Amino acid sequence: DGGITQSPKYLFRKEGQNVTLSCEQNLNHDAMYWYRQDPGQGLRLIYYSQIVNDFQKGDIAEGYSVSREKKESFPLTVTSAQKNPTAFYLCASSITRAGYTFGSGTRLTVV
Amino acid sequence: KQEVTQIPAALSVPEGENLVLNCSFTDSAIYNLQWFRQDPGKGLTSLLLIQSSQREQTSGRLNASLDKSSGRSTLYIAASQPGDSATYLCAVRPNNYGQNFVFGPGTRLSVLP
Repeated sequence: DGGITQSPKYLFRKEGQNVTLSCEQNLNHDAMYWYRQDPGQGLRLIYYSQIVNDFQKGDIAEGYSVSREKKESFPLTVTSAQKNPTAFYLCASSITRAGYTFGSGTRLTVV
Repeated sequence: KQEVTQIPAALSVPEGENLVLNCSFTDSAIYNLQWFRQDPGKGLTSLLLIQSSQREQTSGRLNASLDKSSGRSTLYIAASQPGDSATYLCAVRPNNYGQNFVFGPGTRLSVLP
């Protein structure tokens, strides 16, 4: 079955550590997105990519980095520069200008 | 800048009721609108996608309407069930090419048995 796989489901980060969240899709979608969701708040766009080897900053890109070396993969790295990384992270993909398909999310906690 | 609001923020109804969730957006120049469902701690599940040229979409007990000129969409849930309890989000994609979906804050629905 086609879909988006996010891993891991839960992730714990120590202070000063970089961590990478995985997002893989087999839907043959061109565009991929990373969102952050905090309790009681809406979704905020971190980064997005319309095509391979190209990506754009969203509304809250500071402290995050991404790569898009393959169409199927769009990993997100949460760097030590992100001072408040505890949140629920959601990856999505779409055909150009079509609806979004979301993954099941990764919950990141700072310990 | 496009802004999306959803009313009410939370809703609690007894099982079997028909209910309406509202979504408003400030800029009517949209390409499409999508309704999602999110269960606690889970990702978003797409319910309905309405193109700007459409007035409504239906899937089972769900019906979503779109009035682009007034900047409104409604999600109608017929004969609600406890399994419908979740947060419902709407999102609009602006008409400008390359623009991404803008999400509302969601309506948290509880259907009581």
